[in-house]
Amino acid sequence: AQSVAQPEDQVNVAEGNPLTVKCTYSVSGNPYLFWYVQYPNRGLQFLLKYITGDNLVKGSYGFEAEFNKSQTSFHLKKPSALVSDSALYFCAVRDGSNYQLIWGAGTKLIIKP
Amino acid sequence: ETGVTQTPRHLVMGMTNKKSLKCEQHLGHNAMYWYKQSAKKPLELMFVYNFKEQTENNSVPSRFSPECPNSSHLFLHLHTLQPEDSALYLCASSQDPGLSYNEQFFGPGTRLTVL
Repeated sequence: AQSVAQPEDQVNVAEGNPLTVKCTYSVSGNPYLFWYVQYPNRGLQFLLKYITGDNLVKGSYGFEAEFNKSQTSFHLKKPSALVSDSALYFCAVRDGSNYQLIWGAGTKLIIKP
Repeated sequence: ETGVTQTPRHLVMGMTNKKSLKCEQHLGHNAMYWYKQSAKKPLELMFVYNFKEQTENNSVPSRFSPECPNSSHLFLHLHTLQPEDSALYLCASSQDPGLSYNEQFFGPGTRLTVL
């Protein structure tokens, strides 16, 4: 069965430090992986996706994510966190045979000044 | 803004009321979705429409009734809801859902409270 795990409910990072939000997945075929962000009282916004090719994917607002097939992971990263990055982050996966997205439960990212 | 609008943004209703949520997308997409978002849980896909045809109904109770008159508009009709139906209801759209790598674009959501 397809699944996504975001092992951390909350991640706390000091402003200016690097951040990582973790995501692991399980699919039967080749994965298509997505990260979305949700700011308070807003809908989800697409950040980046992995389809194929280079394992390091760059997205909006300086975020990037690294696809690791052997570890079935797709961790979201940013070299230097901003207070404005504080939000809820969702990882999602889909395999090529199913157009439904499977979502993680979300990770709350708190960036402290 | 993402090009997907939802109204109303907030809704409080009693269990015997009937109300409707509206979603409109201005992106020229073919597919539209309703999701339910509850705190600390993964998004729950409720319905999918592709070219106005319902292609997915994830065992949603009949008190939720979707309607998709055209590819740009999507409604969710609500009646005799339960308090556990209180949640954020998100609408999304995407280009051809048959292409698995297409991302979805979300509206701001309707915060529903059932008393």
